[in-house]
Amino acid sequence: NAGVTQTPKFQVLKTGQSMTLQCAQDMNHEYMSWYRQDPGMGLRLIHYSVGAGITDQGEVPNGYNVSRSTTEDFPLRLLSAAPSQTSVYFCASRITQGGMVNEQFFGPGTRLTVL
Amino acid sequence: ILNVEQSPQSLHVQEGDSTNFTCSFPSSNFYALHWYRWETAKSPEALFVMTLNGDEKKKGRISATLNTKEGYSYLYIKGSQPEDSATYLCAPYYGQNFVFGPGTRLSVLP
Repeated sequence: NAGVTQTPKFQVLKTGQSMTLQCAQDMNHEYMSWYRQDPGMGLRLIHYSVGAGITDQGEVPNGYNVSRSTTEDFPLRLLSAAPSQTSVYFCASRITQGGMVNEQFFGPGTRLTVL
Repeated sequence: ILNVEQSPQSLHVQEGDSTNFTCSFPSSNFYALHWYRWETAKSPEALFVMTLNGDEKKKGRISATLNTKEGYSYLYIKGSQPEDSATYLCAPYYGQNFVFGPGTRLSVLP
């Protein structure tokens, strides 16, 4: 299993540009999520999905869109990049079974800089 | 927005020292607590999943306890080694998503 994969690993954007961060998992996990990591702060949830076709907002959703057309893929779209979106982005996935709280598996991260 | 605190923010210990950190979280509607270990340039990896008040978990030299009534968890490392250097994150779960603390950054000096 490749686990959770993310592309690209690094990206530099200019203000106003749009882009999509890719995330895929091959563990058949229902739950997938996107976090951003900023210095001095914990991982903050951007968007999450509990299954194909279902997405919801997390703590900091503004400026980002997501979709979940398949179980495997959960792309994150930046609509019009702003310097405040400079961060490290992590995708994560986990099983959801009968209310059990299973561990999350994280991707390697994407380091995004917006100039 | 739920507030999860971790202390200390960072610490430096000598190889062989034992150390512990604290995670404090709101106890209302609590379901579970995860501890993660996050090495520089890598992704977080789960250490423990804890659910019940009084839970104790152990993995090698690392152990954790949970108090759900007062809303805190301790992580202990016995005989720290340089490879223990990492950021340790706690993440309580409240029914749909996790809320991550800011982490404790541990540096173990040889």
